[in-house]
Amino acid sequence: NAGVTQTPKFQVLKTGQSMTLQCAQDMNHEYMSWYRQDPGMGLRLIHYSVGAGITDQGEVPNGYNVSRSTTEDFPLRLLSAAPSQTSVYFCASSYGLTKNIQYFGAGTRLSVL
Amino acid sequence: AQKITQTQPGMFVQEKEAVTLDCTYDTSDPSYGLFWYKQPSSGEMIFLIYQGSYDQQNATEGRYSLNFQKARKSANLVISASQLGDSAMYFCAMSTFGNEKLTFGTGTRLTIIP
Repeated sequence: NAGVTQTPKFQVLKTGQSMTLQCAQDMNHEYMSWYRQDPGMGLRLIHYSVGAGITDQGEVPNGYNVSRSTTEDFPLRLLSAAPSQTSVYFCASSYGLTKNIQYFGAGTRLSVL
Repeated sequence: AQKITQTQPGMFVQEKEAVTLDCTYDTSDPSYGLFWYKQPSSGEMIFLIYQGSYDQQNATEGRYSLNFQKARKSANLVISASQLGDSAMYFCAMSTFGNEKLTFGTGTRLTIIP
């Protein structure tokens, strides 16, 4: 049972570099989302998708891009990394029904120097 | 807008005792779901328990139960017979029906003392 798979687990970037955080799920979930977790602030929603071809912004979308070309994959792109984007990033997926239980990947710890 | 408040940044509990983690929420939507997640030191987010706003009974999952008091807008997590493996961060979260976005609280760090 793979569930939600995130790669890489750790990444160090220099300011201004770009990169893509990968997220894949094998549960045929329609709904996928990206969160960031900062100390003392819980998890905050960056972007989400209710199905292939449909994405929308969450609470903290600035500096991030997403696309959803398939049901399985939902990559998160950092266009020009900034130290403020140092965080732990979680991808999650769910069926998106009334009982919307979201299942999380193991997370990506990103440091921007 | 939805809001989740967890007022206990940290708690210390003796092993085998029961523990209650507090969570209050705020929403104007009558249809919503409440969730608890556990985050151990390894970092992953583990779903524990769910309560729907129209559920008549409090949710239970093994040693976890959710004390849902709708009028007070509280959804406290109760862990019975705590174990050393229960030491972790615990997050309360909510979403409204038809809107899959989860809003999280800031979490409570629970430490179980042997």
